[in-house]
Amino acid sequence: DTGVSQDPRHKITKRGQNVTFRCDPISEHNRLYWYRQTLGQGPEFLTYFQNEAQLEKSRLLSDRFSAERPKGSFSTLEIQRTEQGDSAMYLCASRSSEGSPLHFGNGTRLTVT
Amino acid sequence: GENVEQHPSTLSVQEGDSAVIKCTYSDSASNYFPWYKQELGKRPQLIIDIRSNVGEKKDQRIAVTLNKTAKHFSLHITETQPEDSAVYFCAPKSSGGSNYKLTFGKGTLLTVNP
Repeated sequence: DTGVSQDPRHKITKRGQNVTFRCDPISEHNRLYWYRQTLGQGPEFLTYFQNEAQLEKSRLLSDRFSAERPKGSFSTLEIQRTEQGDSAMYLCASRSSEGSPLHFGNGTRLTVT
Repeated sequence: GENVEQHPSTLSVQEGDSAVIKCTYSDSASNYFPWYKQELGKRPQLIIDIRSNVGEKKDQRIAVTLNKTAKHFSLHITETQPEDSAVYFCAPKSSGGSNYKLTFGKGTLLTVNP
């Protein structure tokens, strides 16, 4: 078990640029989540995949955000036309079944200047 | 899940004392109740969880109690140690339909003073 892996660990970008993050879940986990966390807050749900299907997406999520999991393994999260308010830690998590624990990656810290 | 509140938002105790953090939720269909610990600069990690067919679960110094009627569950830490200092999050999950997410509370900052 190598854990959930996220890349990059840090990303600094200028406002208006597009960014893409990658998440590699634990290999046998078919359930994958993206969360966003800002300082002093709990993780905020963004989206959920079961295998390659995106089954839930936050109603609050801007259409500038898109996520994919094309082969049901790794996932990417893209933010288009970044804004300063997008600065946050983006966390990926996976789990093997409905009642099993959620395992988080170390996150990608995004700073939009 | 859905509306989730934690109390208190900060808690300071002396080493060896007990700490209790309460989580209230609004979704009566919630059936899974985990607690996560997040140390500064690190990822959240599960420390204990409970399912709706159980009222209490204990793991060494940590316990979780569930009151489904009142829609709250609590984290209990006994004989606290400085390494228990962290932010603790509850994240109840609903069993209903197309609801797959765990909704996290805003967290409780626990400080254990030596």
